[in-house]
This record gives sequence, C-alpha cells and structure tokens, in this order.
Amino acid sequence: AQSVTQLGSHVSVSEGALVLLRCNYSSSVPPYLFWYVQYPNQGLQLLLKYTTGATLVKGINGFEAEFKKSETSFHLTKPSAHMSDAAEYFCAGMKTSYDKVIFGPGTSLSVIP
Amino acid sequence: NAGVTQTPKFRILKIGQSMTLQCTQDMNHNYMYWYRQDPGMGLKLIYYSVGAGITDKGEVPNGYNVSRSTTEDFPLRLELAAPSQTSVYFCASSSLRTGQRNTEAFFGQGTRLTVV
Repeated sequence: AQSVTQLGSHVSVSEGALVLLRCNYSSSVPPYLFWYVQYPNQGLQLLLKYTTGATLVKGINGFEAEFKKSETSFHLTKPSAHMSDAAEYFCAGMKTSYDKVIFGPGTSLSVIP
Repeated sequence: NAGVTQTPKFRILKIGQSMTLQCTQDMNHNYMYWYRQDPGMGLKLIYYSVGAGITDKGEVPNGYNVSRSTTEDFPLRLELAAPSQTSVYFCASSSLRTGQRNTEAFFGQGTRLTVV
C-alpha cells in the first residue's frame, strides 16, 4: 500500500533560518504529491503540488519542494523562516490520478524569534 | 464558489446522542472524504466516496456512517456518540475524472466536536 512519511513530528527553527521539512513516499510509480499547511484552528490549505513536469515546484509564501524520484522524497523548503510560518505541515500523495489522497502524519513547525 | 462547506462549526454532544455533520461542495468533485484530527495528531481517514452512491471505509470507520446520494453532499453520521469521538472533523473533496489530471483536495474549515 502506498504511504507517506514525514520525518520529525516537530521542527523548530530561528526566524530567518532555513526551513526544511522532510517527506518520503512509497510508490511503485511517480506519484502526485502535495504539501498542505494548517494554521491554528483553521482548515488545511494547499501550499504546492507536483503532478508531472518540472521537479522543483514553487508554492505560496516562498515555499518550494523538489521531487526526487531516486530518493522517493518531496522535501519542503523555505530559505528564510518568518514568524507567520509557524503551523502544521502535511505532506500528501496519491499513486495515480484515480487514487485517493493519502496524508502523512504532519510536522509542527515552530519559529523562534 | 464557496468550495467545501461544513456545518456546524462547533458542537457539544452528550454520550449516546446522535448527530450528522454536514458537508457540501460546489466544485462538481467526484471524490469526497471525511477525516478526523485529534490534538497533536495527523489526519485519519474515516470514510471516503468516489461518487454518488459509492462509499468506502477509511482507517477509522467504527462508530460512523456516511451516505452519498448526490455529488454535492457527503454527510457523516454519529449514531451513539462516545468521548473517544471528541475531535475536529474535516471534510474534503477532489476531482478524479477520466482523461483529466487529478486536482488537489480542498478542505472545509472543520467541525469541532466535543462529547461529554
């Protein structure tokens, strides 16, 4: 069965530092991959998505992610953390375009002033 | 477009009571999902539907029921509420149509349910 894993349930970074949130997937074929963000007491909103084509995907709020098939990874990065980036981040994927979305367990990001 | 709309936003139930969480989407999506999110935990899939008249169990279906009589609506029913069902519930939808690439899942704002 396909799965999505996120290394680190909680990540803390200093304001202005690099943000790196890790996501790995298990799939026999290149999947569709997504990153979602959830701010406190809110629903989930899409940050970015990879379907086909360019493996470096840019999203909202300065985030980007790179699909690396050889590493089965889709890590999320942002060059400089801002206090407003503190939130829960979920990686998600689907094996094919006819499959349901599978979510990772989430990573809580804290930004230290 | 309103997207995915959930009602109510908050609800307190007594043990043994029943209720229906409503979810409707106006994007003509064929896939719809119900998730629960417990404090500090990720999303757990309760039920999902691939289209009107078709539903399937997710990871944690016990204590819940769903129906999908129309493309737009996907209500979640709790028959005998238990404290273990205290959680935040999210409804989502996505589009999976022949010949088209899938879109991402769109989420409602959630229903915060407390069972006392």
